[in-house]
Amino acid sequence: GAVVSQHPSWVICKSGTSVKIECRSLDFQATTMFWYRQFPKQSLMLMATSNEGSKATYEQGVEKDKFLINHASLTLSTLTVTSAHPEDSSFYICSAREGVISEAFFGQGTRLTVV
Amino acid sequence: AQKITQTQPGMFVQEKEAVTLDCTYDTSDQSYGLFWYKQPSSGEMIFLIYQGSYDEQNATEGRYSLNFQKARKSANLVISASQLGDSAMYFCAMRDTGTYKYIFGTGTRLKVLA
Repeated sequence: GAVVSQHPSWVICKSGTSVKIECRSLDFQATTMFWYRQFPKQSLMLMATSNEGSKATYEQGVEKDKFLINHASLTLSTLTVTSAHPEDSSFYICSAREGVISEAFFGQGTRLTVV
Repeated sequence: AQKITQTQPGMFVQEKEAVTLDCTYDTSDQSYGLFWYKQPSSGEMIFLIYQGSYDEQNATEGRYSLNFQKARKSANLVISASQLGDSAMYFCAMRDTGTYKYIFGTGTRLKVLA
């Protein structure tokens, strides 16, 4: 299947700083990328959908000024958590799909810890 | 609104036995896709099996099969001949045909016993 690479796998940052997470489709062009958040022992919750070259569409309740999403190319989307706080500590995971591929493929996830 | 329900928070199965993980869904769409993913402790989401709403036959992928009962809106995952490496969290998901958004259930934690 198609490969989606997410980087970094884990990151620890200080409260108040920003952290960027990258999601890359390695062997296909991702027309759409999705960003999810998963709290411990909970399900994945969709945060936003991004289409290449256009603004991301955020789910209700997700602060778009806090979670900045950029999908500048067909192989790369980034999620920037701005002014991170301990409550932003979570597992963030992206998925990507190409127009002709049936299913979306997931990255490995990024475990963010804000101290 | 679309919804996925997984009523089993945790399951135990003896190695080499079969196990069924339950999933029911709710949607008013005629066309939709149902998925099962495995999430080991490392966190990545591993695609297991897919069933389209118009597929007449139940999907199978190796030791995984999906028991699709459309009238009952259920899409149970059957794992045959369980292995210790099957211990993980399992998520049932529905894909919206128009937006390709995935809606996930709350998951079932499976523990395979030696």
